[in-house]
Amino acid sequence: DQQVKQNSPSLSVQEGRISILNCDYTNSMFDYFLWYKKYPAEGPTFLISISSIKDKNEDGRFTVFLNKSAKHLSLHIVPSQPGDSAVYFCAAGGGSNYKLTFGKGTLLTVNP
Amino acid sequence: SAVISQKPSRDICQRGTSLTIQCQVDSQVTMMFWYRQQPGQSLTLIATANQGSEATYESGFVIDKFPISRPNLTFSTLTVSNMSPEDSSIYLCSTRTGGLETQYFGPGTRLLVL
Repeated sequence: DQQVKQNSPSLSVQEGRISILNCDYTNSMFDYFLWYKKYPAEGPTFLISISSIKDKNEDGRFTVFLNKSAKHLSLHIVPSQPGDSAVYFCAAGGGSNYKLTFGKGTLLTVNP
Repeated sequence: SAVISQKPSRDICQRGTSLTIQCQVDSQVTMMFWYRQQPGQSLTLIATANQGSEATYESGFVIDKFPISRPNLTFSTLTVSNMSPEDSSIYLCSTRTGGLETQYFGPGTRLLVL
């Protein structure tokens, strides 16, 4: 049972345009959500997070939106840059065990 | 954040052998986590390693196959025992710092079992 789903395996965007990566979850107990970026041959790098008490969090070019009623979150990257090309993982956590559940990732390609 | 290193960065092993992966953090941390990422798949938590207690394993993972040590607050090891080709994966360690939920990851160990 996949509790965190990233339904788009890949996304291609033109440089300077907006990239929107989506993530859905099924477990109502999740109360915080994170996005990670992963380059080949490297570990995941933390990008941005959001708590369930918020519906938006912004950090520079990255904004995460949370829609709790729809159990959906999205990561917006504006403007997209070629260096943003990587696999993006959505992760969710909750409770006292601090365990994170990850989606399968979306490969973002930003074309110059 | 935390700076995490892992050794080895990659290895090619024969089936039936064992490999021990080391994870070093640049600060003292309470919780360390071990993940596996099989080809084309998500990151899956293997176990949580707390200093001074037995590791807590997730469903589908057992201590005999993945023994973990946590001798102090900056170091942990994961052993992949009696390896088969299905164990070919990236193995990652991570930790939390400052009481926050964010986990920071090491660079990973790429394991190929022949």
